[in-house]
Amino acid sequence: EAQVTQNPRYLITVTGKKLTVTCSQNMNHEYMSWYRQDPGLGLRQIYYSMNVEVTDKGDVPEGYKVSRKEKRNFPLILESPSPNQTSLYFCASSFVGGSGANVLTFGAGSRLTVL
Amino acid sequence: GDSVTQMEGPVTLSEEAFLTINCTYTATGYPSLFWYVQYPGEGLQLLLKATKADDKGSNKGFEATYRKETTSFHLEKGSVQVSDSAVYFCALNPTGANSKLTFGKGITLSVRP
Repeated sequence: EAQVTQNPRYLITVTGKKLTVTCSQNMNHEYMSWYRQDPGLGLRQIYYSMNVEVTDKGDVPEGYKVSRKEKRNFPLILESPSPNQTSLYFCASSFVGGSGANVLTFGAGSRLTVL
Repeated sequence: GDSVTQMEGPVTLSEEAFLTINCTYTATGYPSLFWYVQYPGEGLQLLLKATKADDKGSNKGFEATYRKETTSFHLEKGSVQVSDSAVYFCALNPTGANSKLTFGKGITLSVRP
């Protein structure tokens, strides 16, 4: 089944304790992206990657890191989490090219709470 | 910059009622337009899309028409069901910007039996 898999789905952590949210897709997509969803703000892009070893900042990159060493994986790293990073995080992927109407496939989400 | 504006929510309807969710956008050129839906506890999934002016996207009884003259992409359904209860997001992909979606804030729809 074609899918984007995120782990963990739920995590409660404390301020300053480094954590990684993994994302893996099995569709051979070039493009991968991380979003955070907050009430009243909708979805905001954190980082994206157009292909292996190619990453770039989205709209809200502060406090996050990413890497793209393999095509299928795009982990999100919080080096020193803070309470304002409490949010629902989504990973998404798609093919690149075409008319700009490429459809994103989303993971099920990772709910992170930072105390 | 590019932006998407959705009507304020939440929206509560009775089953079989008519649904309209407004969406307007600001973008240069000819963006592609999307509606994504998020069911409780799940990720977003594509509901429908349109890639050029006057295109109509449709799926599961939902429809939206790309109106360049009014920069709108309103979502409609003639008869909603309880199973349509979800959060709906309008989004655009600017011209030539592969896969980079700009989302509206989303609107929660609740349908009562």
